[in-house]
Formats: sequence, structure tokens, C-alpha cells
Amino acid sequence: DGGITQSPKYLFRKEGQNVTLSCEQNLNHDAMYWYRQDPGQGLRLIYYSQIVNDFQKGDIAEGYSVSREKKESFPLTVTSAQKNPTAFYLCASSIGTGHSTDTQYFGPGTRLTVL
Amino acid sequence: SQQGEEDPQALSIQEGENATMNCSYKTSINNLQWYRQNSGRGLVHLILIRSNEREKHSGRLRVTLDTSKKSSSLLITASRAADTASYFCATDAGGTSYGKLTFGQGTILTVHP
Repeated sequence: DGGITQSPKYLFRKEGQNVTLSCEQNLNHDAMYWYRQDPGQGLRLIYYSQIVNDFQKGDIAEGYSVSREKKESFPLTVTSAQKNPTAFYLCASSIGTGHSTDTQYFGPGTRLTVL
Repeated sequence: SQQGEEDPQALSIQEGENATMNCSYKTSINNLQWYRQNSGRGLVHLILIRSNEREKHSGRLRVTLDTSKKSSSLLITASRAADTASYFCATDAGGTSYGKLTFGQGTILTVHP
């Protein structure tokens, strides 16, 4: 059963704490992405990775960090430097390099609330 | 930055009616994609149209692209209550932005039974 999974579904964090959101895919995709969605808004790109051991900043990378040590995994850390972290976080993957018209496949999302 | 802008922001129709959503963008693109999001869920890809295509169909969906006007429209025919969702357009600008999609703000579609 192929797909992209995110965990946990809901996450609560105290101010000043770092928290890591998990994203795993078994679609054999090269590219992976992290987006943030605020209520009533579209998606904004945080980080993306076209290949293992490489990633680039998106439009709103400040206060976030990522790693891409394995093809299947692209965890996102929300650091205490992120001023307004409460949001819905979506991970996606696509076939990647060499395909100029990539469809992105999304996970179910993680809703992060800072208390 | 948000390239795509959808219009209208919200649309309410009766089952069986057609729903049309529009998307405008600012820079040249390789392709434009439409996605659907049910409340609190991830996005699901609906259809992709390349910059050299003008119209594309998939089931009850019809997408048009006018690159001279930098706009696209998504038509859902014979709508059903299950079509209730948010719909987003996303553009692939290519070049140094290869592989990145820029999403619009979305149109909230409500289909009443």
C-alpha cells in the first residue's frame, strides 16, 4: 500500500520547545516538500528536497530546519525561533529530478498548536 | 510569494449545477495544476495542464489555460454534495524554481444537496 504518511496528526507544544514532525513515503519519489497552511489560506513552501542529502529553503524557512538522510524520510523541526508556529503542516512528495511536470502527492497533515 | 490567486474566494451552489473557479498568475509557467482539499485533510491532485495546452478534461472536470491572460479556470459539471471542498491552483514556474509549486489562496466550494 503506497503512500505518504505524517505523524502525529495533532501535536501540542509549549512555547520555547523544539518539535519534530515526521514525514515518510514509500512511493520511491526523489523529491519531498514541507508546506505550512494557515486558516483560510493557501500553502506556503517551507523547505524542499530534490534528492537525498540535499535540500533548499522555500519561501518561509526561518525558524524551521530539515534533514534528508534517507530517500523515504524528510522530517521537519519547528524550532523555538519560529515566532508563530501554530498551523497545519503538510508534507508532499513527487517523482522529482528530470520530470518537469511533477504532480505532488500529499500526506494527511499535522496540526501543531503552541500552548 | 503567492503567485496564483483564485476567484471567487467562496462559491455556494445546488447539487446538479456547474461550478467554475478561476485562477490568475503573474509569471510564465511550465504547467498549472489544480488540487482539492477536504476540510482538515491533505491535498489531492485533480488535473495538470501544460503551458502548451489550452484545454483538458478529466471526468466531470474541465480545465482551460490562457497563457496570454495568465489565467486558468476549473469547471466542475453536474456538481455533487461530495464535491464540497477547497480547490487550489498551483503553478510550476520552471527554471530556477524547478520542482516548486506556488499555491493560490483557494476557492471554498459548497454544494448543497
